[in-house]
Parts: sequence; C-alpha cells; structure tokens
Amino acid sequence: GQNIDQPTEMTATEGAIVQINCTYQTSGFNGLFWYQQHAGEAPTFLSYNVLDGLEEKGRFSSFLSRSKGYSYLLLKELQMKDSASYLCAVWGDYKLSFGAGTTVTVRA
Amino acid sequence: SAVISQKPSRDICQRGTSLTIQCQVDSQVTMMFWYRQQPGQSLTLIATANQGSEATYESGFVIDKFPISRPNLTFSTLTVSNMSPEDSSIYLCSVSPGQTYEQYFGPGTRLTVT
Repeated sequence: GQNIDQPTEMTATEGAIVQINCTYQTSGFNGLFWYQQHAGEAPTFLSYNVLDGLEEKGRFSSFLSRSKGYSYLLLKELQMKDSASYLCAVWGDYKLSFGAGTTVTVRA
Repeated sequence: SAVISQKPSRDICQRGTSLTIQCQVDSQVTMMFWYRQQPGQSLTLIATANQGSEATYESGFVIDKFPISRPNLTFSTLTVSNMSPEDSSIYLCSVSPGQTYEQYFGPGTRLTVT
C-alpha cells in the first residue's frame, strides 16, 4: 500500500520562504511529484524527482531522499497567487498516489 | 504536455440516475486515469483505462458502479451509475503522455447529486 504524509496547513508572509515536507512509505517507487491546486481548479504539475537531490525551477525547488522516504517543496519569494493546496504524489505500482495536500496561505 | 477537456463541466443530478463524463485529449496517450476528489479531500484514483483492455479498478470501486470506456487513444468516458448524494464530488481524468510518468489533469466535472 501507499502511505504519504504532509502537513495540513501552513501560513507564511508575502516574500518569505515556505518548505512543505512530505514523507512516504510505498510499495514500488518510480518518482515523486508535486502538484499545485487552486480552489475549484484542477491540479497542475510543479516538479518531478526520481533521483536523490534538489531540482530547481524558478521560485520552486523540490528535494528527494529515497533512502529516507522524504521530499520537500520549497517556495521562495512567496506571492499572493501562491496561496493554494500543494499535493505530494508518488508513482508506484503503475499509479500515482496522492497525499492529503497542504493548504498554504500567503498573507500580505 | 497534453491538453485535456471534459464534458460536462458540472451537473446536478437526481438520486438513482446515471451520468456519463467524457474526457478528450489532444494527442494519443496510452494511459488514462479517472480520479475522484470529494470536498476538501485529496485525489483518489478510481481506475486506470488503457486502450484495448478492460479498466483496472482500485479497491472500493467497481465496474457496475463506475463503468469506463476507452474506444481509442484520445477519448474515454466514466459513468457514475445509480447515483446517491455520496457520489457528489469532482471527477477528473488525467493522462500520462511521456516517459516520466508525469500526469496532466483535465479541468474536472463537478457533480452534485440531490
């Protein structure tokens, strides 16, 4: 089975940095994904890690440690539009399994 | 990437009826997936639909309740049968077009059962 844990909520100030942690225990692993989902919209792809290390994409970075079953998503220079739910997902056993999501609220 | 459309975008249905949701992709893809997202919840996989074979259903989901068709590499339908208020949810299709298991999601169908 798949067990994916991430915090429920986080709040941060505009311009700050927020780190969303994700731990997983899964049967089979072919990569870890982060998705952003604004209220009432479909999830959109942010990042993909299959090897250990840091992947950087503009203001967003994602890190993976396969031995620890751990990932984080780092959001830098937060903007109001970054207020959304962030979903950690693991590909394994021919399917993508999602965590419950972390709601990030950015305050002015 | 892939561009995905779904019809209808939303519907209000009566208990006991059925609704068929369509998913259209702008390119040929092998793997298509159907998810459910209940209010305030994350995504739950209903089934995987590969062209030319029967859909594979996840635990808790059965073909009689959620029949799926996949007639070609760009189209699929999900039917929610004999609906009850507990089926009120957003239903999303997604595809994995590349080699990296990355998935792209359609805009979703918001279903309300009264």
